[in-house]
Amino acid sequence: DAGVTQSPTHLIKTRGQHVTLRCSPISGHKSVSWYQQVLGQGPQFIFQYYEKEERGRGNFPDRFSARQFPNYSSELNVNALLLGDSALYLCASSFRPQGQPQHFGDGTRLSIL
Amino acid sequence: QQQVKQSPQSLIVQKGGISIINCAYENTAFDYFPWYQQFPGKGPALLIAIRPDVSEKKEGRFTISFNKSAKQFSLHIMDSQPGDSATYFCGGSQGNLIFGKGTKLSVKP
Repeated sequence: DAGVTQSPTHLIKTRGQHVTLRCSPISGHKSVSWYQQVLGQGPQFIFQYYEKEERGRGNFPDRFSARQFPNYSSELNVNALLLGDSALYLCASSFRPQGQPQHFGDGTRLSIL
Repeated sequence: QQQVKQSPQSLIVQKGGISIINCAYENTAFDYFPWYQQFPGKGPALLIAIRPDVSEKKEGRFTISFNKSAKQFSLHIMDSQPGDSATYFCGGSQGNLIFGKGTKLSVKP
């Protein structure tokens, strides 16, 4: 069975640009969460979606937004990119939003020049 | 506010030894405590997890010990192997996951 898939795997952008990252959850999983992982740190929670509705939001600016589609795939959008947005962006999926194992993809490596 | 504190930051163990990583949490609403293993260039992979009504869980060479009153839990890796060399993250969850800062484990042959 396919795990969580994310695209693209690598991305290079310049400051001020916009980026869209995509995630396909494990089949049957209805909850998708996004995390940002800066080099040498643990992943930090950005958003959680369940059944297309936002269930939680971490301490990130409004430049970050996300949505979940009817097929449970998800997009993370970041506007007005800053150098500090350079990180590994991880997507995780689970059957339900709480008390369930979250399974991660291999992430999108975003570099801002 | 860091809700999950993990130690040590790095750990070197000889092949066959026991690796022990500790975590302390603050949020008593957490209802799920996972450990993840991450290799360079890869996403975190779920290793083992425990719920707060259980004091210990063992899966193969990996054991979680959980102390609810102390708000602490730990990962023990028995018979550590060079292939276990990776970064390990503990977490607490009541929906979204809050991770510790990670422990880089090196197992020397």
